[in-house]
Amino acid sequence: DQQVKQNSPSLSVQEGRISILNCDYTNSMFDYFLWYKKYPAEGPTFLISISSIKDKNEDGRFTVFLNKSAKHLSLHIVPSQPGDSAVYFCAARTYNTDKLIFGTGTRLQVFP
Amino acid sequence: DTGVSQDPRHKITKRGQNVTFRCDPISEHNRLYWYRQTLGQGPEFLTYFQNEAQLEKSRLLSDRFSAERPKGSFSTLEIQRTEQGDSAMYLCASTSGRGGSYNEQFFGPGTRLTVL
Repeated sequence: DQQVKQNSPSLSVQEGRISILNCDYTNSMFDYFLWYKKYPAEGPTFLISISSIKDKNEDGRFTVFLNKSAKHLSLHIVPSQPGDSAVYFCAARTYNTDKLIFGTGTRLQVFP
Repeated sequence: DTGVSQDPRHKITKRGQNVTFRCDPISEHNRLYWYRQTLGQGPEFLTYFQNEAQLEKSRLLSDRFSAERPKGSFSTLEIQRTEQGDSAMYLCASTSGRGGSYNEQFFGPGTRLTVL
């Protein structure tokens, strides 16, 4: 049972444009969501997070939007840079546990 | 701050052998997590410690797997009688868990296990 889904395995975006990565979830008990970035041969690196009491969180070029009614969140990267090329994982947790449930990831490629 | 470190980075073993991995969390982080990642999947939770206490274990953690954090600092993950299906990247993460607020988990580089 995949509780966190990233239905797009890959995304290709031109440098300077917006990258939009999507994530859907099924568990209504999730109350905290995170995005991680992963380069090859490295562990995931925390990018940005959002609590379920908010619908938007922004940090520099990165913005995460949460739509609780649709059980959907998205990560916007503006403007996209070649260094953003990596695999992006969406993760979620419930209030009563520390474990993160990850999606399967989306590989972003930003080309010049 | 040197980040989360894991040792070894790579391990190749034959089926049936035992292996042990080590994780050193960020200093003063009292919570430590183990995840496993296979090809094409996201990390899957295995277990987590608060200080030396193991607070939660996944059903993925079969009887052949054991994790310890004896002094509340570094942790070890042992796999006994390895099987080819154990081949994966084993990731360790830590967080401070202070103040009751949610804190992001900081991941190490992982240990890639290959079972032949």
